[in-house]
Amino acid sequence: AQSVSQHNHHVILSEAASLELGCNYSYGGTVNLFWYVQYPGQHLQLLLKYFSGDPLVKGIKGFEAEFIKSKFSFNLRKPSVQWSDTAEYFCAVLASGGSYIPTFGRGTSLIVHP
Amino acid sequence: DTGVSQDPRHKITKRGQNVTFRCDPISEHNRLYWYRQTLGQGPEFLTYFQNEAQLEKSRLLSDRFSAERPKGSFSTLEIQRTEQGDSAMYLCASSEMGQGRNSPLHFGNGTRLTVT
Repeated sequence: AQSVSQHNHHVILSEAASLELGCNYSYGGTVNLFWYVQYPGQHLQLLLKYFSGDPLVKGIKGFEAEFIKSKFSFNLRKPSVQWSDTAEYFCAVLASGGSYIPTFGRGTSLIVHP
Repeated sequence: DTGVSQDPRHKITKRGQNVTFRCDPISEHNRLYWYRQTLGQGPEFLTYFQNEAQLEKSRLLSDRFSAERPKGSFSTLEIQRTEQGDSAMYLCASSEMGQGRNSPLHFGNGTRLTVT
């Protein structure tokens, strides 16, 4: 079964700082990868997804993530964060060819100070 | 896309009572998922439907939990004889089969259960 590790549980940044949130998964086969965001009081929303092809994936609101197969990683990046990026960020992995059940990491809480 | 709808948003119940939650997925989505989320954790998978068939249940799901999706549209999650450890946010999500096998999940706002 697949699993996901998000090593940064809490991140605090100032506006305009660069962001990188780590995500590592364990599964030996083909995977689909996702980052979700949960703004305060709102539901989980998809930020970006990787299915195949270009390992550098661009999502909404200036976020991007890079799939590095050799490192089993799918780190989320943003060059310059804004106060409105304050949220919980969840990485998820879906083993391709298996059951259609994404496994989520425990999340990273990001606080951006204005 | 009217979104995934969950009802109620909040439920407070006493230990030992039964509770039932409802989820209305996005209308053209044939997959429906229930997850549970506690503070400081990510969503944990509970169970999953494809149309009306319940295809998989987590080992987390004790026999006090039951879920149905009778006509392949809305779903209900019932917890019998609630315990304080059941206190959590219960999330419903749906996805579409056809836009690639593994289309992303769309989540509802969740039902927050507090067992006193």
